[in-house]
Amino acid sequence: GAVVSQHPSRVICKSGTSVKIECRSLDFQATTMFWYRQFPKQSLMLMATSNEGSKATYEQGVEKDKFLINHASLTLSTLTVTSAHPEDSSFYICSARVDTSEYYEQYFGPGTRLTVT
Amino acid sequence: QQQVKQSPQSLIVQKGGIPIINCAYENTAFDYFPWYQQFPGKGPALLIAIRPDVSEKKEGRFTISFNKSAKQFSLHIMDSQPGDSATYFCAACTSGTYKYIFGTGTRLKVLA
Repeated sequence: GAVVSQHPSRVICKSGTSVKIECRSLDFQATTMFWYRQFPKQSLMLMATSNEGSKATYEQGVEKDKFLINHASLTLSTLTVTSAHPEDSSFYICSARVDTSEYYEQYFGPGTRLTVT
Repeated sequence: QQQVKQSPQSLIVQKGGIPIINCAYENTAFDYFPWYQQFPGKGPALLIAIRPDVSEKKEGRFTISFNKSAKQFSLHIMDSQPGDSATYFCAACTSGTYKYIFGTGTRLKVLA
């Protein structure tokens, strides 16, 4: 259980275009999903918290207008990188919150490698 | 206050050895400490987690030791195998925020 998928796994786009990344919880409903960014050989940086049916909460320093997050259903959250530039090239990973008897665990998707040329 | 300090940055052990990865925190409000394993090009996978009311937890070959007074916790991998070669991240979380603060990661290599 607790499987999270992402699509696409890799995407290459030209500078100035927009890219949408999907994050789905496959076998459970996720009221809260998170979006992270990871640079090579570095840790995960939380970008935003996505709650179903409400606006996302962005971390300090993350541009809301550049990284649009929509959590329209209990199984799907999307991240749209608008007007992408080469510096947006990174590994984007989503996670979904799962409430267990012990705590609120996070299960991660496989990630999306974005390359902006 | 919100940081989680992780060490070492990298670690090389022989097969069968017991690598130990350490994490330290300052925020006493943290009340959940998970460990994740990440292979190159993949998302992190939850390995094991502990609450501060427990000093040790074992799951298979993975053990977490927790020292509440020192605000430190560590991951031990028993009988390590080449397939354990990956990057390991510790994390900490506070009830109600649901947000994880991740350590900087440890790249482990287990030699055959």
